[in-house]
Amino acid sequence: SQQGEEDPQALSIQEGENATMNCSYKTSINNLQWYRQNSGRGLVHLILIRSNEREKHSGRLRVTLDTSKKSSSLLITASRAADTASYFCATDADGNQFYFGTGTSLTVIP
Amino acid sequence: DVKVTQSSRYLVKRTGEKVFLECVQDMDHENMFWYRQDPGLGLRLIYFSYDVKMKEKGDIPEGYSVSREKKERFSLILESASTNQTSMYLCASHLWGANTEAFFGQGTRLTVV
Repeated sequence: SQQGEEDPQALSIQEGENATMNCSYKTSINNLQWYRQNSGRGLVHLILIRSNEREKHSGRLRVTLDTSKKSSSLLITASRAADTASYFCATDADGNQFYFGTGTSLTVIP
Repeated sequence: DVKVTQSSRYLVKRTGEKVFLECVQDMDHENMFWYRQDPGLGLRLIYFSYDVKMKEKGDIPEGYSVSREKKERFSLILESASTNQTSMYLCASHLWGANTEAFFGQGTRLTVV
């Protein structure tokens, strides 16, 4: 399987703190994407970083990519209770398929 | 507003029944996917399709089949439902080519009793 892995599996923080989650993958990629899933719902796209990029920002999100280590991290700054969700990384190797990680469950305590 | 719509949010079926999960997208996307999501296992790809009448097996196709007769519709079929197919099923669509995002339906939670 080409599935990636997120780390940690679960994370609990206080509102206002930063949350960092990591993703490791196995194959070369075109891009890596992060998705969010609220409980019992579908996934929503957050941010895409291409293989030739090292860092990308979108609002309170910061994503880094290290292709030599086959890893990525997602930083959510100044977390809010509404950020409570599961977060998944997905790798796109050929423009046609996505391989998702196992997810990080984030709980932000008000 | 772009949309991927799955026909049911919740479904309860009996063992041995033939089950159809329907997915429709309105974005004229070439690629469509069916994933299964189980706790601790993440999303696992069952089947995908990159064109009408085309299909490719994913990581866990056993016990499933698919149908894509029209570009906007991708159906997942459980030929004879079993209790180990109780799961959350997610449909997604994607514009062919690199560096584009996938759009997901709201998910169907299937329980086989």
